[in-house]
Amino acid sequence: DGGITQSPKYLFRKEGQNVTLSCEQNLNHDAMYWYRQDPGQGLRLIYYSQIVNDFQKGDIAEGYSVSREKKESFPLTVTSAQKNPTAFYLCASSINVRLANQPQHFGDGTRLSIL
Amino acid sequence: SQQGEEDPQALSIQEGENATMNCSYKTSINNLQWYRQNSGRGLVHLILIRSNEREKHSGRLRVTLDTSKKSSSLLITASRAADTASYFCATGTHASGGSYIPTFGRGTSLIVHP
Repeated sequence: DGGITQSPKYLFRKEGQNVTLSCEQNLNHDAMYWYRQDPGQGLRLIYYSQIVNDFQKGDIAEGYSVSREKKESFPLTVTSAQKNPTAFYLCASSINVRLANQPQHFGDGTRLSIL
Repeated sequence: SQQGEEDPQALSIQEGENATMNCSYKTSINNLQWYRQNSGRGLVHLILIRSNEREKHSGRLRVTLDTSKKSSSLLITASRAADTASYFCATGTHASGGSYIPTFGRGTSLIVHP
């Protein structure tokens, strides 16, 4: 079945450590997104990518980095510069970032906590 | 960036009752989408209503859109315990670079008691 796979489901980060969250899709979608979700808040956009080797900052990109070397993959690195990384991270994809009337498809998230 | 805001923040009903949640937004939109999120899971797309549509149905879901009031409502009829989840609206327009990035509200937490 087509979909988005995020791994790991739970991740723990030590102080000063970078961690990478995986996101893979087999929907053949051009656009991919990373969101952060905190309790009681909506989803906030971290980064998005329209095509391979291209990505754009979202509203809260500081302390995060991404890459898009393959169409299917859009990993997110939470760097040590992100001082409050504890959150639920969601990856999503859509057919094309320029198409308004298309839904986003989401993975089941990675919950990141500080040790 | 614009953002939809859902109301109420939390809703608790009995199985069989109808559940209504609302979304208000600030500026003109291309469309409005509703998503559902079960606890600890990702969001699942429920329904999309375009700015030139006033009402849309999908199974037990009914969505209305009033662009003059900049608001939308999601009605779930004959609710079931399995409808327990958070519901989010997402709105957006094209940015200057042509990208369309929806922004999400904080959600309505719905609990349906069996």
